[in-house]
Amino acid sequence: DAGVTQSPTHLIKTRGQQVTLRCSPKSGHDTVSWYQQALGQGPQFIFQYYEEEERQRGNFPDRFSGHQFPNYSSELNVNALLLGDSALYLCASSLVDRSGNTIYFGEGSWLTVV
Amino acid sequence: DAKTTQPTSMDCAEGRAANLPCNHSTISGNEYVYWYRQIHSQGPQYIIHGLKNNETNEMASLIITEDRKSSTLILPHATLRDTAVYYCIVSIFQGAQKLVFGQGTRLTINP
Repeated sequence: DAGVTQSPTHLIKTRGQQVTLRCSPKSGHDTVSWYQQALGQGPQFIFQYYEEEERQRGNFPDRFSGHQFPNYSSELNVNALLLGDSALYLCASSLVDRSGNTIYFGEGSWLTVV
Repeated sequence: DAKTTQPTSMDCAEGRAANLPCNHSTISGNEYVYWYRQIHSQGPQYIIHGLKNNETNEMASLIITEDRKSSTLILPHATLRDTAVYYCIVSIFQGAQKLVFGQGTRLTINP
């Protein structure tokens, strides 16, 4: 158990709808990153949050947005869902001020867009 | 793009040591080598990481060559539960550390 909690574990949405995924980082961690993993592929970095701000972003459209709360938990929002957004969404937590720090992943949220 | 090259798949007999190679010839001096594995439908599980010295923990050993251009993950006594996709990743700590995953090695442990 990596200590990173994600919810919901599975959900089904319709094209055009919006979805919110949630993540609680490992105790003591202050940084949350989100990854998208399509079937058969490795995880792809979406963005990272630290001190309630987006620090770095991967190659994802603005339909993907996020938020970090004062307790370090985070949300991933995806608007105007497309069929191609169907994937496993992973949350990862770490400590930003630690060189070579360990990054831990949650079990993910499976999103199916129909 | 991922900065590592791994074999697509490997097989190993249960009880034997599994040795998973990884090439990272363009690694920079301050980049770490990380290993994660992903069992079907689960989140990636951290295994081990290192900078230049060999590392060992309760799960595995990491052997990094002196020139740091390649490394080997060793699972000393593989079990069926070690069947998974293993990812070798090099990453710099840059405040907003991100991991760039490749395709990984699909390791199958056979009874």
